[in-house]
Amino acid sequence: DADVTQTPRNRITKTGKRIMLECSQTKGHDRMYWYRQDPGLGLRLIYYSFDVKDINKGEISDGYSVSRQAQAKFSLSLESAIPNQTALYFCATSRPASTDTQYFGPGTRLTVL
Amino acid sequence: LAKTTQPISMDSYEGQEVNITCSHNNIATNDYITWYQQFPSQGPRFIIQGYKTKVTNEVASLFIPADRKSSTLSLPRVSLSDTAVYYCLVGVRNSGNTPLVFGKGTRLSVIA
Repeated sequence: DADVTQTPRNRITKTGKRIMLECSQTKGHDRMYWYRQDPGLGLRLIYYSFDVKDINKGEISDGYSVSRQAQAKFSLSLESAIPNQTALYFCATSRPASTDTQYFGPGTRLTVL
Repeated sequence: LAKTTQPISMDSYEGQEVNITCSHNNIATNDYITWYQQFPSQGPRFIIQGYKTKVTNEVASLFIPADRKSSTLSLPRVSLSDTAVYYCLVGVRNSGNTPLVFGKGTRLSVIA
C-alpha cells in the first residue's frame, strides 16, 4: 500500500463548484504539504501544516483553504473553483527534523471548466 | 532561501553519463543541496543530498566544488527510465519552519 494517498486521482468540475481534495498518510509524519504544479512552472506551495494545530500559508494560498483533521489527514478545498485552478495537485509529508526530505503522493489532476 | 538556476531541458542517448549543473551563487554557510526526481504523472522523490565535495548513492552522484556556488548531479549510463524532471533545491538541512522551494527543474529526455 502507498504511504501517501490522494483522492480523487482525477476530477473534472465546473466553475463555482466547491471541491475537496484529500490526502492521507501512513508514514506517521507530523508535517504535511499541498503543492500545485502547472506546466512549465514547477511546483508551488499552497499550504503546509507542521502538526494538527498548525496551518501555514504558502506561496499561492489565495482561493484555497485547508483542514488538518488528524495527523494522518490533510484536505485541500477550493471554495469556488475557477478555470485557472486547473492543475496537478500534490500532497507531501515529512518528519519534523527532516523537512528537506519530503514524500509525495501520486497527485490529483483537477480540471475546472 | 538561496535561489537556484538550472537548465530548462537536456537530451541524452541511452548509456551516456548525464551531468546536470545547478547554480546557487547565494548559498549560505548552513545550506545543503538537495535533488529531487519527478517522473511523468508522479510526485517528486528525493534522490540525493550533500554539503560539500562528493556524495554517491545507488541512484546518482553529487559533486560540489569548494566554493559551493554550484553543484552537479551526475547520472551514470542513463536509460529511458531516467527520463524525468530533476529539481535542485538549496536550504538549511532539517530547517524546521522553512518549507522547501521547488523551481522549474531540468527536464531530461533520454533517447534510444
